[in-house]
Amino acid sequence: AQKVTQAQTEISVVEKEDVTLDCVYETRDTTYYLFWYKQPPSGELVFLIRRNSFDEQNEISGRYSWNFQKSTSSFNFTITASQVVDSAVYFCALSERGRDDKIIFGKGTRLHILP
Amino acid sequence: GAGVSQTPSNKVTEKGKYVELRCDPISGHTALYWYRQSLGQGPEFLIYFQGTGAADDSGLPNDRFFAVRPEGSVSTLKIQRTERGDSAVYLCASSSQSGTEYSEQFFGPGTRLTVL
Repeated sequence: AQKVTQAQTEISVVEKEDVTLDCVYETRDTTYYLFWYKQPPSGELVFLIRRNSFDEQNEISGRYSWNFQKSTSSFNFTITASQVVDSAVYFCALSERGRDDKIIFGKGTRLHILP
Repeated sequence: GAGVSQTPSNKVTEKGKYVELRCDPISGHTALYWYRQSLGQGPEFLIYFQGTGAADDSGLPNDRFFAVRPEGSVSTLKIQRTERGDSAVYLCASSSQSGTEYSEQFFGPGTRLTVL
């Protein structure tokens, strides 16, 4: 069965600090996709990144970076030099490449960036 | 072009009433998904349409929930005899589902349903 665990329910850091959001996933498939979404207070889901299971290269996009490690089934997300605008709920998610590509979300980590 | 739209944006109803939530997918997208996000939780899959047919309805919580997509475009999620536990944000997503490559799901803004 598919499962995504975000053990950190809520994190608070002071602006300009680095912060890492943890994500551990479970799947029996060899082909799958991992995602991170941001949900700001306005409520819309903002897509941040998608990785497929065959690409373990880490990725950096500006202040955002992602560390994908199949050996530990983890897909962690780091924000460098955090800003108040980064305050949001962040969801890690998984989709097994199958007949419907439905997305399984974790419960989310609420991130507070304090000025 | 236009994204996924959902109407209404907010719906308040009384326990026991019937509600319909509408989703307009991106034009040309053959795949359509419904998710439900309860307070403090991540979105949970409800049902997936490929064209007009419900290819996977394994996420529907019980038989009070039903969804249709009669012409392969607009979809309506129908909830009968609403209960307070149905209160949530209902999200719709669509994708082009083109061939073997993964097709991104684009999410709508959601309908916030409150059952009093």
